Amino acid sequence: ETAVFQTPNYHVTQVGNEVSFNCKQTLGHDTMYWYKQDSKKLLKIMFSYNNKQLIVNETVPRRFSPQSSDKAHLNLRIKSVEPEDSAVYLCASSYPGNTGQLYFGEGSKLTVL
Amino acid sequence: TQTVSQSDAHVTVFEGDSVELRCNYSYGGSIYLSWYIQHHGHGLQFLLKYYSGNPVVQGVNGFEAEFSKSDSSFHLRKASVHWSDSAVYFCAVSDTGGLSGKLTFGEGTQVTVIS
Repeated sequence: ETAVFQTPNYHVTQVGNEVSFNCKQTLGHDTMYWYKQDSKKLLKIMFSYNNKQLIVNETVPRRFSPQSSDKAHLNLRIKSVEPEDSAVYLCASSYPGNTGQLYFGEGSKLTVL
Repeated sequence: TQTVSQSDAHVTVFEGDSVELRCNYSYGGSIYLSWYIQHHGHGLQFLLKYYSGNPVVQGVNGFEAEFSKSDSSFHLRKASVHWSDSAVYFCAVSDTGGLSGKLTFGEGTQVTVIS
């Protein structure tokens, strides 16, 4: 049963446009994440928030910015997309601290033309 | 720095046969080791994890994994695969310390089950 919801599931856009992906979790978790999965299926952490506070900020281009209104929501904005931003963006959540277990959404696939 | 390596990019197995997916990690501290499955076009789903205790852990849908400290490994096994097991499998490691539970993933192993 899906409890991490991502919208949109697909988005096609042109280079230079702005894109936003939304994520909501209904599990009552305190920690949320954004991962990027490239065309070779490789997964890399981008950001992590704990109760609206940014705790992990990996080396990503400055055009990427996370936004959290409350602990159940974590959005991802990309200003001025580039072709290399084409990927699947996966949102996840987990219980406070570290349990070794993440709950993922279905992903948001971005195609930049 | 944590690293995770999955040596097999692709495994093909007949339905009903057993399969083992290999995972080796490198990290000096206390960690969680876990496995996830990703069906085509979907997100990742948790299968199982290990932290301490019995080195053989049971997961969902008949999957199990065995931890070996001496080999720095956490291999995943299933005794009898089903066509629905066709998916990409990811091994992951996370540091038990700190506030973040971020996972570091291996490269993934594509499993194709054929009849």
